[in-house]
Amino acid sequence: KQEVTQIPAALSVPEGENLVLNCSFTDSAIYNLQWFRQDPGKGLTSLLLIQSSQREQTSGRLNASLDKSSGRSTLYIAASQPGDSATYLCAVYNQGGKLIFGQGTELSVKP
Amino acid sequence: DADVTQTPRNRITKTGKRIMLECSQTKGHDRMYWYRQDPGLGLRLIYYSFDVKDINKGEISDGYSVSRQAQAKFSLSLESAIPNQTALYFCATRGRGETYNEQFFGPGTRLTVL
Repeated sequence: KQEVTQIPAALSVPEGENLVLNCSFTDSAIYNLQWFRQDPGKGLTSLLLIQSSQREQTSGRLNASLDKSSGRSTLYIAASQPGDSATYLCAVYNQGGKLIFGQGTELSVKP
Repeated sequence: DADVTQTPRNRITKTGKRIMLECSQTKGHDRMYWYRQDPGLGLRLIYYSFDVKDINKGEISDGYSVSRQAQAKFSLSLESAIPNQTALYFCATRGRGETYNEQFFGPGTRLTVL
């Protein structure tokens, strides 16, 4: 059974810092991995999707990497801003198209 | 206008009541999903549907039922609500054959069962 774990559960950093969020999964037979952002009480916004054949994806200040063999993905946020404060969720697509979520990392960026 | 909409956005109900949560999408996707989110547990799959006649149970389907009235509509019902069904519920869609298998989420319905 696929399990997705995100570390740390919560992170607080000062504005301007570069930071890394971690995601690990137990079954490397995945199709894709997707990173989401969730603001308090709101829905999920897709940030980046990495296909299983890719190593990384970039969008603006965000860079996500994928290492299937080790079952790991990282989300790198450059020059963090208070507006980046949110919960970040990692999810993997198993065979059959089911999305398995981690518990999320709650990020707080202090001005 | 949002591509995936959910109604109601907030609902407070009492134990034993029947509740229906509705989801509509304008993306033309054939696949639709219902998830619930609890603090510290991430999102868990309740039911999913690959087309109007294809309904499948997810990880936590007990106590829930669904109806796919049309390609664009997927409803989740709680036949007799209980307090541990208090959660944030999300609907999502995905298109067939899309290279990236990306799912698109609605804004969520916050359900409280007293």
